[in-house]
Amino acid sequence: DQQVKQNSPSLSVQEGRISILNCDYTNSMFDYFLWYKKYPAEGPTFLISISSIKDKNEDGRFTVFLNKSAKHLSLHIVPSQPGDSAVYFCAAAANAGGTSYGKLTFGQGTILTVHP
Amino acid sequence: GAVVSQHPSWVICKSGTSVKIECRSLDFQATTMFWYRQFPKQSLMLMATSNEGSKATYEQGVEKDKFLINHASLTLSTLTVTSAHPEDSSFYICSASPARLAGEETQYFGPGTRLLVL
Repeated sequence: DQQVKQNSPSLSVQEGRISILNCDYTNSMFDYFLWYKKYPAEGPTFLISISSIKDKNEDGRFTVFLNKSAKHLSLHIVPSQPGDSAVYFCAAAANAGGTSYGKLTFGQGTILTVHP
Repeated sequence: GAVVSQHPSWVICKSGTSVKIECRSLDFQATTMFWYRQFPKQSLMLMATSNEGSKATYEQGVEKDKFLINHASLTLSTLTVTSAHPEDSSFYICSASPARLAGEETQYFGPGTRLLVL
């Protein structure tokens, strides 16, 4: 049962344009969401996160949008740069507001390629 | 930023041997560390949650006697793959969480360890 889904295995974007990466989840207990960037044979690098009490969080070129009713989140990268080319994973945590740390459930990842 | 290291970065071993992988949080204390494995072109799958000073919590389907986890200090967790077999070949990644701030749940990942069992 895939609780976090990234339905697009790959995305190709021209440099300078917007990259939009999508993620859907099924578990309504998830209340914290994160995006990670990963290069082959390396660990994921944290990019940006959002709590379920918000619907948007912005950090530089990266913005994450959360639509709780649709159980959908997206990562926008503007403007896209060739160095952004990597695999992007969304992840979700449940009961993050409690006293215990919630484990992360990852999506399958989306390969982003930004062409010069 | 928070840095997590792993050692070794890659290891090749013979079937039947045991391999120990270390995960260290270099500039913060982590009461909780996580161990993941990733097969080629697949997502990261959580194997276990490692809590400092207590037994690890394993995910369903993960053999605790095969994947031994020790979290002896607030900056070090180890994963030992006992009697490794070729099917254990994978990319193992650890993560650590610094002390929780209100509303923050960020995990920082190590660079990963590539294990190849011949």
